[in-house]
Order: sequence, then structure tokens, then C-alpha cells
Amino acid sequence: DAGVIQSPRHEVTEMGQEVTLRCKPISGHNSLFWYRQTMMRGLELLIYFNNNVPIDDSGMPEDRFSAKMPNASFSTLKIQPSEPRDSAVYFCASSSPQGRNPNSGANVLTFGAGSRLTVL
Amino acid sequence: RKEVEQDPGPFNVPEGATVAFNCTYSNSASQSFFWYRQDCRKEPKLLMSVYSSGNEDGRFTAQLNRASQYISLLIRDSKLSDSATYLCVVNLGGGYQKVTFGTGTKLQVIP
Repeated sequence: DAGVIQSPRHEVTEMGQEVTLRCKPISGHNSLFWYRQTMMRGLELLIYFNNNVPIDDSGMPEDRFSAKMPNASFSTLKIQPSEPRDSAVYFCASSSPQGRNPNSGANVLTFGAGSRLTVL
Repeated sequence: RKEVEQDPGPFNVPEGATVAFNCTYSNSASQSFFWYRQDCRKEPKLLMSVYSSGNEDGRFTAQLNRASQYISLLIRDSKLSDSATYLCVVNLGGGYQKVTFGTGTKLQVIP
């Protein structure tokens, strides 16, 4: 299993440009999460999908951010226009009921390697 | 109050030492608890789940105290390779997938 695959691994762009981050979850996983990590705020959940449907997008900071999951094997997070304060590492994670902890009933997340975004 | 709070550290400990981290959570309805480990410039990875009765995995022991709403992680006989940031993770369970991460506690094991 290749794990959760994210691209690009690094992106440097200028303020005002559009940024698109991509994620391929683990095959068979039915939940997908987008997180953002900064030194100041730690890991913040932006949005998560269940069976390709957005369930909770309350963490999306503002209208400049949008996320889609057109099918079970692909998701995008788009920032348009980008701003310097968007600089962070963006992680995608996926989970499945098969990964459920038998004692807690909660699914375990598997993260991708992250996309490090720098907006100048 | 933050949903999940951790002491950011850093905890600097010598090799072979025992170190413990605590994490407090605000939602008393929380049902599932985990510790993740994150190495520098890497993604978080599951270290261990935290069971109500407490659980042990080698040198690592996790405990849950529902009355005081905290979980703990104990590392015995620290190794240099244990140096990382340890993230406390809480979710409401019951099929609800949203998990909340603490900001992490940084551990540095010194030779």
C-alpha cells in the first residue's frame, strides 16, 4: 500500500496566486481529512469528507479556501487568492472502518507526508 | 479553554530516564483517545490508542482519567530515537469522525 499521497510536497508562490493541493487517500478508506499545521496553532482540521461528501467544513478559514472530493481516490484543496498567512504545512489524512480501534470504536488516521506551502 | 491542551515543553531528558506527559480535554463526552508521534518535518503517526483501563506497549504506557479529563503517556528507559513531538488526540466517538489534536509536547532525549 502506497499510503496517502500528497502533491506537491513543496510549493512557493506569490501572494494573490491560486494554489491547488492534491491528495490520494488509501484505497478503501472512506473518510478523508484536510489539516493545516503551523507553529502557532498546531494541527487544525479544515474539512473532512465521508464517502466523498463534505461533512464538516467549519474549520475552513474563509471563502478563499475550497475543497472537493470528486471521487473516492482524489481530493483537492484550493486557495484563491493565496496570502502570506496561508503559509503552513497542509496534511491530508484518511481512515476507514477497518482501521477502527476495537476498544474505542474510533478510526485511526493515516497521514500523507504533507504539502509545505510558502506564500511570499 | 482549548478543547485539548498540552504542555508544549520541550522536555529535555537524559537517555534511560522516565518521562511523562499529560493532556487535558474539555469535552466530557469524549470517547476516544490517542497518542500520535510527529518527527521533525514529518507527518503525525499513531503511537498508541488509550484505553479506559490503561494500556502498555513496550516502554510506553497510556492512561485515561475520565474524572479529571486527562490522558497521560509514560515513556520508560528513554532512547535517543524517542525524540519527537507527542500529540494528544481526542474525539467524540460514536461514529463521529472529527478528531481534535493538541498542539503537542516536544521531547528531546539527550545522550
